[in-house]
Parts: sequence; structure tokens; C-alpha cells
Amino acid sequence: EADIYQTPRYLVIGTGKKITLECSQTMGHDKMYWYQQDPGMELHLIHYSYGVNSTEKGDLSSESTVSRIRTEHFPLTLESARPSHTSQYLCASFSGTETEETQYFGPGTRLLVL
Amino acid sequence: QKEVEQNSGPLSVPEGAIASLNCTYSDRGSQSFFWYRQYSGKSPELIMSIYSNGDKEDGRFTAQLNKASQYVSLLIRDSQPSDSATYLCAVKTSYDKVIFGPGTSLSVIP
Repeated sequence: EADIYQTPRYLVIGTGKKITLECSQTMGHDKMYWYQQDPGMELHLIHYSYGVNSTEKGDLSSESTVSRIRTEHFPLTLESARPSHTSQYLCASFSGTETEETQYFGPGTRLLVL
Repeated sequence: QKEVEQNSGPLSVPEGAIASLNCTYSDRGSQSFFWYRQYSGKSPELIMSIYSNGDKEDGRFTAQLNKASQYVSLLIRDSQPSDSATYLCAVKTSYDKVIFGPGTSLSVIP
């Protein structure tokens, strides 16, 4: 069982609000990832991190930002939420050697922007 | 061209049959390849990973990799109704990005 947590699990918020989605893992993994997934659709990589103070943008254009101040914590922030941000957000951490790797997913945050 | 592509499905197989899922990728520098299963409303869960050309078996699952053809496949033997889910192919690219394909929906008919 992977120890990766996301809060909140569900969030309903009005347009224009600033929100932060929390993700934390207790496994000491260096690599962490944020994905966005609409129901029945594919996962889109929005941000990832190699380690503390290292963040990169993924392939999906997004108005979100991330930070990685501590190994275990990788929060995602939307400065001004819009209805187009309504989706599920999945956080993952990655561990392993060159020949055996595993990516663990958190339970996800379902966001509804009204 | 998408970085990771999968046969679109949905794929239906009778219980006990072999299900075959395919995936192609564009980054020739990719070294790590993964198959995930995702049930509706749940997070993806890792089935297996593969790194070298050839086959890798784990129980009823066999992953096949051909780097020259940039092709990865997953075979599920003796398919069970509980295998009904969306199967996601993922590739760790040369920049450590883990990119997912669109998924193939599998339905195993009792």
C-alpha cells in the first residue's frame, strides 16, 4: 500500500477563487507528478518534479503552479479558478532503480468550479 | 503525433480468452514502459513495468517490448470479468516525464 495522500478529496468552489491542492508522500521519493483527468478521458501531465526546488511543466497548458520545498510535499495552486478547471487531479510519486520502477498514485481530488 | 498511442477500443473478449492490448510511443530515448489498470472512478494501479526488448511475464499478464518498432503490448491470459477496466500504457521519456496513452477499455464477457 502506497502512502501518498491528497487533500481535499472533493472541492466545489466559485470562479476566481485561489485554491491549493495538497499532495504528500511519506516514502521519500524524489520524483513527483501531477496529472489532470476528465471522466473517461486520458491523463494529462501538468507538472512534475525531480526533487526539492526542481519543477517542470508537463504537456498540458495549465494556469496552475507547483512548488517543491520539501521532498514529501508537492502542492498544486490555481491562482484564479475557472469552470474549465473542473476535473480530477491526480498526484503520483515515483520510485525505483533503472530496472524496477513503480509509480504510486494518490486517491485524487475532484474539483468543481462553478 | 501523440507521444503515446493505444488502440482505441473498446475491446470485448469472452471469459477465458486472451486479451491483447497495444501501445506505440514516439520518443526513441524512452527506457521505461508501464501498464496500468484503471477502474471507473479510481486511480490507476500499476500492473507491470518492462525495460528490455522481449517478453516479461507476471501471472496471467505478459508485457512485450520492441524498442526498434517503438511498440509495447500487454497480453492478458484467461481473462476474467474482474479484468474489465481501462488499460493505460505509460512511457517514461528521456526527460523523466511519465506520459500516458489514452487508454483502451476492456470488457470481459462472462
